[in-house]
Amino acid sequence: ILNVEQSPQSLHVQEGDSTNFTCSFPSSNFYALHWYRWETAKSPEALFVMTLNGDEKKKGRISATLNTKEGYSYLYIKGSQPEDSATYLCALGLGNGANNLFFGTGTRLTVIP
Amino acid sequence: GAGVSQSPRYKVAKRGQDVALRCDPISGHVSLFWYQQALGQGPEFLTYFQNEAQLDKSGLPSDRFFAERPEGSVSTLKIQRTQQEDSAVYLCASSLGQAHQPQHFGDGTRLSIL
Repeated sequence: ILNVEQSPQSLHVQEGDSTNFTCSFPSSNFYALHWYRWETAKSPEALFVMTLNGDEKKKGRISATLNTKEGYSYLYIKGSQPEDSATYLCALGLGNGANNLFFGTGTRLTVIP
Repeated sequence: GAGVSQSPRYKVAKRGQDVALRCDPISGHVSLFWYQQALGQGPEFLTYFQNEAQLDKSGLPSDRFFAERPEGSVSTLKIQRTQQEDSAVYLCASSLGQAHQPQHFGDGTRLSIL
C-alpha cells in the first residue's frame, strides 16, 4: 500500500481568498499524479493529470504544480468562490500495467460567502 | 447519458444478505475500476478490468467480494454474506486505458449494512 498524504485535512477560507494545499507521495514509484474535485452528492470530477517533473496545469482559477523528485504536488485556487467548496483528492498512478490509482484522504475546502 | 452510471445510489441490507452493485461505464472505455471509500478515507482500489478480463483483483478484501464484466461493458460488484465493515461508498470509474489518462467516476453506491 502506497502512502499518499494530503494536507491540510480541511480548510475554511473567505470568499475571494486564494488558497493552496499539498499532496505528497513516494517519489520512487511515480508515473502520473491525478487531481480530482468531489462535490457532495456528485461524482469525482477530473481536474488534472500530470506526468512530468515541473509540470504546471491550469483550469480557470485552479492550477497545479508537480515535483516528482521530492514527491509533492500543490493545488492552488485563486479568488475562491463558494462553488469551489468540495473535497479535493490527489491520486498516484504507478503505470505498471495495472493503471489503478492510490488516493490520498483529500482536503475538504469550505469557502465562506 | 454520457457519464458513468451506477445503481442503486443507496442500498441498505441486513448483515448476512448478498448485494449486487451495477456499473455502466462510458461507451468505448476499455478500462473499468471499482473503488471502496470508507468514511473519512480516500477511495481504495478493489479491482480492475480491461475489456472483459479482470487483470487485477488484489484490492478485494475477502473472497466474499466478486466482480465481473462478462461482455466488456457493464460490470457488477457482488458482496456475499455482507458484514457491517462492508458499509462504504462503492465507486466505479472507467477510462480509455492508459495510466496517464483521467478516470471518469460514477456517483457511487452508498451501502449500509445493518
